[in-house]
Amino acid sequence: GAVVSQHPSWVICKSGTSVKIECRSLDFQATTMFWYRQFPKQSLMLMATSNEGSKATYEQGVEKDKFLINHASLTLSTLTVTSAHPEDSSFYICSASGPFPPYEQYFGPGTRLTVT
Amino acid sequence: AQTVTQSQPEMSVQEAETVTLSCTYDTSENNYYLFWYKQPPSRQMILVIRQEAYKQQNATENRFSVNFQKAAKSFSLKISDSQLGDTAMYFCAFRAGNNRKLIWGLGTSLAVNP
Repeated sequence: GAVVSQHPSWVICKSGTSVKIECRSLDFQATTMFWYRQFPKQSLMLMATSNEGSKATYEQGVEKDKFLINHASLTLSTLTVTSAHPEDSSFYICSASGPFPPYEQYFGPGTRLTVT
Repeated sequence: AQTVTQSQPEMSVQEAETVTLSCTYDTSENNYYLFWYKQPPSRQMILVIRQEAYKQQNATENRFSVNFQKAAKSFSLKISDSQLGDTAMYFCAFRAGNNRKLIWGLGTSLAVNP
């Protein structure tokens, strides 16, 4: 099956700094990528959808200036958490889907962000 | 708007027994997909099974099968011969045919006991 990687798997940063998370599709062209946030024992919350070469579409309530998403190629999307604060600490998951139906979403292993 | 409801926050089952996880959904779409995902303690999301709404036959994948009742908008997951490795969060998800977004249920935490 299709493989999606995320890097880093775990990151600690100081309050006020920025951190970048990478999401890569390793063996297929991901025309659409999704970024989710998940709190412990809760469901996935979609943050934004990005299409290759286009600006990301953010879900209501998600600050686009805080969570910068770039999808510059068919295999890479990045999420940058700018001026991170402790409340941004969470588990971030990306998924990717290809250009053909049924547009299956393949998930990365997630990134645990801790802001101190 | 589409919604997905999982009414069982937690369930447990004895190893080798069968367990059924419930999921209901609401939509006005005719063309859609339904999914069950497993999230073990590693937190890697794993697709368990997929059902296309236009298919009347229930999907099966080895020990996992679904009971898809389209009129009732119900999509339950049956796990047969439960194994310790089945311990995980299970999420039911919906996707309209022309939309790439997944709509997620809140999840069911399943514990398989030895």
